[in-house]
Amino acid sequence: NAGVTQTPKFQVLKTGQSMTLQCAQDMNHNSMYWYRQDPGMGLRLIYYSASEGTTDKGEVPNGYNVSRLNKREFSLRLESAAPSQTSVYFCASSTRRQETQYFGPGTRLLVL
Amino acid sequence: GQSLEQPSEVTAVEGAIVQINCTYQTSGFYGLSWYQQHDGGAPTFLSYNALDGLEETGRFSSFLSRSDSYGYLLLQELQMKDSASYFCAVRDPTGRSARQLTFGSGTQLTVLP
Repeated sequence: NAGVTQTPKFQVLKTGQSMTLQCAQDMNHNSMYWYRQDPGMGLRLIYYSASEGTTDKGEVPNGYNVSRLNKREFSLRLESAAPSQTSVYFCASSTRRQETQYFGPGTRLLVL
Repeated sequence: GQSLEQPSEVTAVEGAIVQINCTYQTSGFYGLSWYQQHDGGAPTFLSYNALDGLEETGRFSSFLSRSDSYGYLLLQELQMKDSASYFCAVRDPTGRSARQLTFGSGTQLTVLP
C-alpha cells in the first residue's frame, strides 16, 4: 500500500497563476484533510472532508477551494496564487478517530 | 478556540531521557495526540491519550492529566534518529471545530552524540 500520495512534490508559481494539488489515499479512510505548514509553525487546517461528497472549512480556508472527487481523492485548488500562500502543503487521511491521521509527503509551493 | 503551548527547543544527549511538555486550553476536550516530524518529512502519528495516565509504546511514553490540562511525551534511550520536531495536538468537541485537530507549534528536539 502506498498510503497517502501527493503530487506534485515541488511547484513554483507566479502571482495570479492557478494550480491544483492532488492527493490520494488507498487506506479506505473516510476523512481527508489539507494542511499548510509555515516555517517554525505547526500545521494549520485549510479544509477537510468527513466523507465523500462533503467538505468543510478549516482554520485558514481563504484563497483555496477543494474537491472530494471520490473516497480516495481530495484535491486543493489555488485559483489565484499569492506570495502569502508560499508554504508546504500536507494532505492527510484518517478513520473515524480523527486524532490518528496519516500524512502524505507534502508539496512545497513557492509563489513569486 | 483552542491553544497549545510547548517548548520551542529541547536538547539532550544520546542515551538520555527527555520530556516534552504540552499544556492546552480548550472549551472541550477529547484527548491529546503526539506527532513526530523529521526535517523535510511528513508528520507521523506517535500516540494518543484520551484518559489520564501513562501510555507506553516502546521507548516512547505519553502522559495526560485532564484536570491540569497538561500532557507530556517521554523519550527514553535517546538515539540520534530521534532528532526531529514533536507536535502535540488536541480536538475540541464543541462548536464548529469539532472535527478539527489543532496542532501546537512544535518542539525541536536535538540529540547530541
